[in-house]
Amino acid sequence: GAGVSQTPSNKVTEKGKYVELRCDPISGHTALYWYRQSLGQGPEFLIYFQGTGAADDSGLPNDRFFAVRPEGSVSTLKIQRTERGDSAVYLCASSLDSGSSYNEQFFGPGTRLTVL
Amino acid sequence: DAKTTQPNSMESNEEEPVHLPCNHSTISGTDYIHWYRQLPSQGPEYVIHGLTSNVNNRMASLAIAEDRKSSTLILHRATLRDAAVYYCILKEGDDKIIFGKGTRLHILP
Repeated sequence: GAGVSQTPSNKVTEKGKYVELRCDPISGHTALYWYRQSLGQGPEFLIYFQGTGAADDSGLPNDRFFAVRPEGSVSTLKIQRTERGDSAVYLCASSLDSGSSYNEQFFGPGTRLTVL
Repeated sequence: DAKTTQPNSMESNEEEPVHLPCNHSTISGTDYIHWYRQLPSQGPEYVIHGLTSNVNNRMASLAIAEDRKSSTLILHRATLRDAAVYYCILKEGDDKIIFGKGTRLHILP
């Protein structure tokens, strides 16, 4: 079956520009997560959604980062006024439910963002 | 979140068993122990999880110490495809995953 998909796979932008990264979760998964991963580090949590609402956005680094999931399916991570330090792989994951200790998260392949 | 400690890297020969250790001395009674791995240029993938008892699945086995302060992920017969970063994670109920740096496993042909 189809897994989590992310588009684009690569994005190169200039400092100060606005970017949108898209995540299509597995059909029927109510929970959706965004992480970002810098070179040599483990993924870092950004935000997660239960349905349409952001249940936990404590990992967003600052107000330049925003994410939406208007219909409880596809999610978009939006970054305003990009900085070189935003360069990373942005990972999306989904799971059947949240609030549980044992639900498996399924990850997409990531979007590699490069800010020049 | 409770923290885990893993070796930075390990090596193993192909077709031999691999034991990946993880220490989690501050684990709470409700923490599940999860293992994920990340193959090169891919997102992480779930491997196995457990609470108190040892667990087996098609990918690996998880051996949990009786006091739950440590655990070991066992790959019974490593292949080149098992070369990856392996993350040992504790989850307290909040569903976000807090990743550490994991163990980079090298498989020697």
